[in-house]
This record gives sequence, C-alpha cells and structure tokens, in this order.
Amino acid sequence: DTEVTQTPKHLVMGMTNKKSLKCEQHMGHRAMYWYKQKAKKPPELMFVYSYEKLSINESVPSRFSPECPNSSLLNLHLHALQPEDSALYLCASSQVGAMNTEAFFGQGTRLTVV
Amino acid sequence: QQQVKQSPQSLIVQKGGISIINCAYENTAFDYFPWYQQFPGKGPALLIAIRPDVSEKKEGRFTISFNKSAKQFSLHIMDSQPGDSATYFCAASSDAGNMLTFGGGTRLMVKP
Repeated sequence: DTEVTQTPKHLVMGMTNKKSLKCEQHMGHRAMYWYKQKAKKPPELMFVYSYEKLSINESVPSRFSPECPNSSLLNLHLHALQPEDSALYLCASSQVGAMNTEAFFGQGTRLTVV
Repeated sequence: QQQVKQSPQSLIVQKGGISIINCAYENTAFDYFPWYQQFPGKGPALLIAIRPDVSEKKEGRFTISFNKSAKQFSLHIMDSQPGDSATYFCAASSDAGNMLTFGGGTRLMVKP
C-alpha cells in the first residue's frame, strides 16, 4: 500500500469557521509533511513531522495548527482563515534518514475560504 | 532564494516528439533529485529520481540526465503522448534535510 489518503477532498469554509484536514498513511513512514499549493505554483512546505514530533515550521501563521496523533495520522487544524488561504493542501510522507527520501503525496484537499 | 530553477515554464510538443525539461540547482548539499508529475486536481506523483553517483537513469520513456559539475539535471520524455500532458516539477533534497525543494514547474501539452 503506497497510498496517502486525505480527507476531505473539497472543503468550503467561512472565515470564522474551525475545520480540520486529515491525512493517513500505512507505509510505515515516520516523516509526514503538509504542503500548500496555489494554482500554477509548486508545492510550498508548511510543516514537517519526524517521529511524530514537529521538526520544521516554515513560518506558517498560527491560524494553521498541525497535529500528529500517531505515526500514521496527520491533521491540520484551521481557524480564522483568510480568503488568500484558499489553495490545494497536500499531505506527504516519506522514510526518515539517509538514502531513502522518496516522498508520496496524497490527492490533496481543495480548500476555499469564503 | 529559489534554490532550484526550472525551465521552460510551458512546453508544447507534438505526439511522438521528445519533451525536454531542465533544472539547475545551487545547493551542493543536494543529493537526491526526483521528478514529479501532477495532473489537474491531483497530488504530485513520483515519476523518476536520480542520485549524483550516476549521470543518467532511464525508466521506460523517461530519462534523467545529470551533470554534477554544472549542477544541472534534465528530464527527457521520449515518444511523448497526449496522456503525458501534465505539470512536471523537478525537486531536490539532501538526506540531512529530509525535505524537498521544488522547481517552479513546467506545464507540458502534447498535441495529438
């Protein structure tokens, strides 16, 4: 199973809403990532979890709050977002360590903030 | 600072032709260079990857050429097909960083 599953596929939320994006993988990967991708742009790294601990936060606003409950799950909690936060949010996973950094991406959650 | 520069931004190729996408990097610590293919509304999918100890890697119609001294690598798609129409991203990472730095992307259109 080389699949990273993201839910929901689409999400429309108001600026005062609280919502969560979910990501799951069962490949035994101990590194998990959140990326944000705007139209016609490459994915931009937001957060990296390594062995369930936050290892990289790329200066993301606090209205985005990641959580890694266990080695298979990754959540992104959203609160008080702005319309410019509308984007495709991608989850990815990979092995941690040398010589094996192939990353698998999920299909993404298309987020629209109204 | 854009650490991986990709060109061209868009590319139109006739069916059966060769598609060539180029990338250049700056960080000499990079030691893993994957190419990702992304269809609209989907996540990126790994296409092929290379490490700097080889100069070329071929998988089916897809070939990566790597020039370590020039800090450049390229993707060649032989016998391009309309189904290859997608956005292609080169990327780079180092084992120490365990994170990908993406190029800007190339939108490929293969005309029937």
